[in-house]
Amino acid sequence: DQQVKQNSPSLSVQEGRISILNCDYTNSMFDYFLWYKKYPAEGPTFLISISSIKDKNEDGRFTVFLNKSAKHLSLHIVPSQPGDSAVYFCAACFSGTYKYIFGTGTRLKVLA
Amino acid sequence: DVKVTQSSRYLVKRTGEKVFLECVQDMDHENMFWYRQDPGLGLRLIYFSYDVKMKEKGDIPEGYSVSREKKERFSLILESASTNQTSMYLCASSLLDSLNPASWGYTFGSGTRLTVV
Repeated sequence: DQQVKQNSPSLSVQEGRISILNCDYTNSMFDYFLWYKKYPAEGPTFLISISSIKDKNEDGRFTVFLNKSAKHLSLHIVPSQPGDSAVYFCAACFSGTYKYIFGTGTRLKVLA
Repeated sequence: DVKVTQSSRYLVKRTGEKVFLECVQDMDHENMFWYRQDPGLGLRLIYFSYDVKMKEKGDIPEGYSVSREKKERFSLILESASTNQTSMYLCASSLLDSLNPASWGYTFGSGTRLTVV
């Protein structure tokens, strides 16, 4: 039973364009969400987070949007760069558990 | 910067061997976690620990055990390795700060690619 889903296993985008990575979740009690980026043979690194009390958080080229009614999370990367090519995981947790549930990941390829 | 160090980047073990994967963090984090990453399945939680000598099962604990004798070290043990345990294993740590959600994010190690033959 996958509580956090990333339905697109891969995505290709031209350099300079917008990348949109999507994530859906099933449990409305999740109250904190993160995005991680992972390069091959490395551990995931934290990218950006959002609390359930917000609907948007921005950090440079990265913006995360949260639509609680749709139980949907998206990560926008503008403009996309070749160095953004990686696997992106969304993750969600319940307050007080400190334990994240991860999606299956989306492999982003930014074409030069 | 928090550093999470996994002792081996690559390991090859034989079926039936007992395997130890070691993880050390240097920032006094209370929480430590072991995940495995498999294609199409994402990151799945094996075990986690909120404190020394304390452990809790994650989503896929079968065939694994853990040990946390010191706060900085969290070991994953494959009691009798099998080929279906071939995977990338990731250790992570985080703070226990219930008042600050921004601290709940994990710091991951670089991973151990384990192959069981």
